[in-house]
Amino acid sequence: EVKLVESGGGLVKPGGSLKLSCAASGFTFSSYAMSWVRQTPEKRLEWVASISSGGSTYYPDSVKGRFTISRDNARNILYLQMSSLRSEDTAMYYCASLTAAWFAYWGQGTLVTVSA
Amino acid sequence: DIVLTQSPASLAVSLGQRATISCRASESVDSYGNSFMHWYQQKPGQPPKLLIYRASNLESGIPARFSGSGSRTDFTLTINPVEADDVATYYCQQSNEDPYTFGGGTKLEIK
Repeated sequence: EVKLVESGGGLVKPGGSLKLSCAASGFTFSSYAMSWVRQTPEKRLEWVASISSGGSTYYPDSVKGRFTISRDNARNILYLQMSSLRSEDTAMYYCASLTAAWFAYWGQGTLVTVSA
Repeated sequence: DIVLTQSPASLAVSLGQRATISCRASESVDSYGNSFMHWYQQKPGQPPKLLIYRASNLESGIPARFSGSGSRTDFTLTINPVEADDVATYYCQQSNEDPYTFGGGTKLEIK
């Protein structure tokens, strides 16, 4: 059974940093592209970052230069390092496996709140 | 960015009837003979769940009551017949172009 478990969310001040983790199990993690997708308080879904099985990374302009996605294939963990956080980054952050070009499996999410 | 517009924003359908949700893209999401449009279901307190990929392909384990159709800019998710367990918000998502984008969602309720 595929399992994705996110952690690391919390309350952070504007301009601050936070690192999210996603522990994966039930599939060959190293063979799959992975992504982070967030859901805003208004329930809007936004793609945040993707990393290929080979380590190539992709970001939308809204987070490029502020967020960094990485992976540890030995430990089956996906990361999202977030810096220069803004109030508009407040969201539930989901880890998701990327099969070809769709998000096949999702974790339960970790909540990030950016507020003074 | 490709903008996805879903309609209606909400709909109420009687049990056993058909529900039809539309997703219109601001530009074509077709490439190499495939439509890169996908559909997800999200129930309250849960993450989204993949239903349909590449416009019309049913994800493993998803009931055949769900179906998808369309091409280029116009896509449809159909649930027929609707069951009580289908109460959820449904989202479309395109992956033909970076950045991947999602529709605003359609909330399905039982009449």
